[in-house]
Amino acid sequence: DAMVIQNPRYQVTQFGKPVTLSCSQTLNHNVMYWYQQKSSQAPKLLFHYYDKDFNNEADTPDNFQSRRPNTSFCFLDIRSPGLGDAAMYLCATSRASGSAGEDTQYFGPGTRLTVL
Amino acid sequence: AQRVTQPEKLLSVFKGAPVELKCNYSYSGSPELFWYVQYSRQRLQLLLRHISRESIKGFTADLNKGETSFHLKKPFAQEEDSAMYYCALKGHDYKLSFGAGTTVTVRA
Repeated sequence: DAMVIQNPRYQVTQFGKPVTLSCSQTLNHNVMYWYQQKSSQAPKLLFHYYDKDFNNEADTPDNFQSRRPNTSFCFLDIRSPGLGDAAMYLCATSRASGSAGEDTQYFGPGTRLTVL
Repeated sequence: AQRVTQPEKLLSVFKGAPVELKCNYSYSGSPELFWYVQYSRQRLQLLLRHISRESIKGFTADLNKGETSFHLKKPFAQEEDSAMYYCALKGHDYKLSFGAGTTVTVRA
């Protein structure tokens, strides 16, 4: 029944070693989001895809990249993880139709990234 | 710019007591407001949205445009209400801005 799936649930990487987190969805939603959530803080939007269009938030570091090869999958690439990148990474989807009430965001369980 | 403020980081109430989580926002247009909840070891999920005007799990929230508030209320808290609650705002686009969250603990 899982609608937004994130793999892996826990990821350990070394300082500076590239890492990729994945997200898949069965909802056929046109928008996919990546959030970073640090302990006791609000989720912070990194970027999102509206269909194939990539939209970066102004304060997202260049170290973070994303790919969306098809509607169902979206990847978060961290090119050179630093200690400050240790966080929970949340993927979410929505059907941004422009109609009120139809754009609820559905979240995955998150991937907890540890940087050693 | 849009901003959501949840002034209480922690809220502890006894079972059966009323609970109110405060949320204030700043936005120049007509926003949509939401409450999301995250129970222990579960994913973030929508609790309710202001346009639905419905009660979910006994919770209600009224959008007060004059006070720019969207406080979440429940008259009788239950132990299963213990969770992290986030207020969120959707402005002219479809992106959400989240508040910092309030951790609610309901004690027996």
